[in-house]
Amino acid sequence: DARVTQTPRHKVTEMGQEVTMRCQPILGHNTVFWYRQTMMQGLELLAYFRNRAPLDDSGMPKDRFSAEMPDATLATLKIQPSEPRDSAVYFCASGLETPSEAFFGQGTRLTVV
Amino acid sequence: KNQVEQSPQSLIILEGKNCTLQCNYTVSPFSNLRWYKQDTGRGPVSLTIMTFSENTKSNGRYTATLDADTKQSSLHITASQLSDSASYICVVSATANAGKSTFGDGTTLTVKP
Repeated sequence: DARVTQTPRHKVTEMGQEVTMRCQPILGHNTVFWYRQTMMQGLELLAYFRNRAPLDDSGMPKDRFSAEMPDATLATLKIQPSEPRDSAVYFCASGLETPSEAFFGQGTRLTVV
Repeated sequence: KNQVEQSPQSLIILEGKNCTLQCNYTVSPFSNLRWYKQDTGRGPVSLTIMTFSENTKSNGRYTATLDADTKQSSLHITASQLSDSASYICVVSATANAGKSTFGDGTTLTVKP
């Protein structure tokens, strides 16, 4: 059963702490996306990679967020230092090139207190 | 500015009834339009994806239409079931691989017995 796996599912952390979220894309998918979802803003694209190379991270606050793909089976999203306004559900999705649909993971619910 | 507007914001219907959700967009250039279903606490799941040349696509009881001239799409749900209660998100992409996507705020559908 091919699916995108995200860990952890839930994370509660104190302001100022580093947070790392992990994503295992579907095997064979060459495009990986990171999204953030809040009640106020809905779904926002933070960054996406193709063949492990970052294509666009313009939606990501550069001063505290970083996204990487150490290898084809792992994508990470780090926040350092975390702030209460970062509280949201972070989704990873993977897909193929045209025509494409993104398959989403279950998300990581982050709460920064 | 690229925008995707969905209506209504929320909708309540009785089980067994049909309903239609609307999506208007101003995204340009246009590559494809997706409808996602998102259950509470879960990641979005793709229902349909349509490119410029497609004007209708079905997935079971879900039928999406696209009018690229008027930049409008609709999602029709036939014979609704309780499990259709979810948020339905319209996403329009300017590139083929889901990068540069603009998300609608979603329509929250509640199906009551």
